[in-house]
Amino acid sequence: DAMVIQNPRYQVTQFGKPVTLSCSQTLNHNVMYWYQQKSSQAPKLLFHYYDKDFNNEADTPDNFQSRRPNTSFCFLDIRSPGLGDAAMYLCATSRARGASGELFFGEGSRLTVL
Amino acid sequence: AQSVTQLDSHVSVSEGTPVLLRCNYSSSYSPSLFWYVQHPNKGLQLLLKYTSAATLVKGINGFEAEFKKSETSFHLTKPSAHMSDAAEYFCVVTRYNQGGKLIFGQGTELSVKP
Repeated sequence: DAMVIQNPRYQVTQFGKPVTLSCSQTLNHNVMYWYQQKSSQAPKLLFHYYDKDFNNEADTPDNFQSRRPNTSFCFLDIRSPGLGDAAMYLCATSRARGASGELFFGEGSRLTVL
Repeated sequence: AQSVTQLDSHVSVSEGTPVLLRCNYSSSYSPSLFWYVQHPNKGLQLLLKYTSAATLVKGINGFEAEFKKSETSFHLTKPSAHMSDAAEYFCVVTRYNQGGKLIFGQGTELSVKP
């Protein structure tokens, strides 16, 4: 049974047209993460929530925003996608921050920008 | 500061032969180390983790890794490759004093030939 579910799996948008990606989890984990992964690269952390506490990485562009309305759901908003934002976006959860590095990942949302 | 270096960007083996994926780490502290696997267009899955208990760690799907402090290595091995092992493998260390955030190696792509 899927525990971290991302929608949509594939998203095509136009340059500058806002996009929202969603993530839901059935694990009741406190921490949720958003990673960006470009082709043939390692995942790059954009931000994470520890419960409702939002933590932005210093080099995450302002173009990326996130919302976590409740424990189960988290959203990634890209306000004005550029060609360089085309990537796989991975949502992950963990039981607690620093919880021995074990993250549970969704299958990802692949964003194409035309 | 913590870091990981995966020594091979691509490894190719024949089905039924051993697999060796190499990882060296750098850490000022006693590290927690992990191997994650990513199949094409999928999220990441934890293969195994070392958190200062036994130095030989067994994971899923027949993989294991040995923590060698003297060599600062955490190489991943499997006695006999299967076609389904073809994937990208990431060696990961946690960022000790930053809430356990993950630091990824650049990844090793494993190909398995029939």
